[in-house]
Amino acid sequence: DTAVSQTPKYLVTQMGNDKSIKCEQNLGHDTMYWYKQDSKKFLKIMFSYNNKELIINETVPNRFSPKSPDKAHLNLHINSLELGDSAVYFCASSQDQTRGRELFFGEGSRLTVL
Amino acid sequence: AQSVTQLDSQVPVFEEAPVELRCNYSSSVSVYLFWYVQYPNQGLQLLLKYLSGSTLVKGINGFEAEFNKSQTSFHLRKPSVHISDTAEYFCAVSNAGNMLTFGGGTRLMVKP
Repeated sequence: DTAVSQTPKYLVTQMGNDKSIKCEQNLGHDTMYWYKQDSKKFLKIMFSYNNKELIINETVPNRFSPKSPDKAHLNLHINSLELGDSAVYFCASSQDQTRGRELFFGEGSRLTVL
Repeated sequence: AQSVTQLDSQVPVFEEAPVELRCNYSSSVSVYLFWYVQYPNQGLQLLLKYLSGSTLVKGINGFEAEFNKSQTSFHLRKPSVHISDTAEYFCAVSNAGNMLTFGGGTRLMVKP
């Protein structure tokens, strides 16, 4: 059973479209995250979500919006996709938001915008 | 604000040789440091972490790291690498809300 699972694994779409990536964790964790990995492998935090509290990295465009139907799921919606949104998006979770907790990552969703 | 610098983008090494991957950090608060590994087409997996206590931290797969406060470093070492260690390695610091700031990554390439 995969601890943190993301779907789809690959996503190819046109500029201007709207798309979603789903994430589910079965670890019973309270905190979930989205990270973006660019073509140079650089990883950057996008969002953290804990107990209905959303912490947004200020550099993330408002075209990106996380949605959490329950604490086991954190989906990522992206509106009006741009070429620069092409990246691998990783979902992760931790027991809670205490500093120092281990993060468990999904396998990533590779988004290609044409 | 905390930051992490990984000085080497690529480290080629022969199988069974020792390796050191370098990481330096900048922080104005107490620092929690991590090393994560990313195998090709996979997510990240925790190798080891330093929160407090002994400055020498042992992790999985024979890796260890040493926290050096005076040099603001947290270098990762392994005495003898295997082909299967070929991967991307990321050093990171934990910020408020347990959000990680990552270094740019080091690609370890183990050659036969």
